[in-house]
Amino acid sequence: GQQLNQSPQSMFIQEGEDVSMNCTSSSIFNTWLWYKQEPGEGPVLLIALYKAGELTSNGRLTAQFGITRKDSFLNISASIPSDVGIYFCAGPPPPNTDKLIFGTGTRLQVFP
Amino acid sequence: NAGVTQTPKFQVLKTGQSMTLQCAQDMNHNSMYWYRQDPGMGLRLIYYSASEGTTDKGEVPNGYNVSRLNKREFSLRLESAAPSQTSVYFCASSLHLSNQPQHFGDGTRLSIL
Repeated sequence: GQQLNQSPQSMFIQEGEDVSMNCTSSSIFNTWLWYKQEPGEGPVLLIALYKAGELTSNGRLTAQFGITRKDSFLNISASIPSDVGIYFCAGPPPPNTDKLIFGTGTRLQVFP
Repeated sequence: NAGVTQTPKFQVLKTGQSMTLQCAQDMNHNSMYWYRQDPGMGLRLIYYSASEGTTDKGEVPNGYNVSRLNKREFSLRLESAAPSQTSVYFCASSLHLSNQPQHFGDGTRLSIL
């Protein structure tokens, strides 16, 4: 089936650093969603993107819908310890927009 | 505002036992979903319900059944549990299908011995 590839798989950074991660697909997507999952909890929606080229921020987080519509990017500026978690991209795989598929996640560790 | 509530939070079963995982949402959403999460594999869709009265298979439906009891509740049943079904199960809901962001519960951690 279709897959979303996320990179990097994991990141170990120091508090205050900026973080960049991305998600790519072999197919064109019309929606990109970014979720964060903390230990013992379910994924929480961070940002939703609906248009190619769209750039949306949520606090220190900024996500972009790639121009090719086959990728999306998430940046976190000035990381803090509570940014720790797994970040997932997700989107409805064409032509079926009824369901979401998820990437395998980027695990972020922040050291003080 | 509770959002999506799953019960139980933890469960241990023996192979062959049956169990129903419960999910309820209070956001007046039409669509509901069941996923399983395994290490290194992300979230995989088991079944979903576009609206009350309808259910459809997702990516990994074998060994599971679902019931959309009413608009609020969507249950997942394991008729004869197998060790391969050891996983974390998440329920989610969205206003409608079609590009709508999904809101997740906190999961049920299920171990089958």
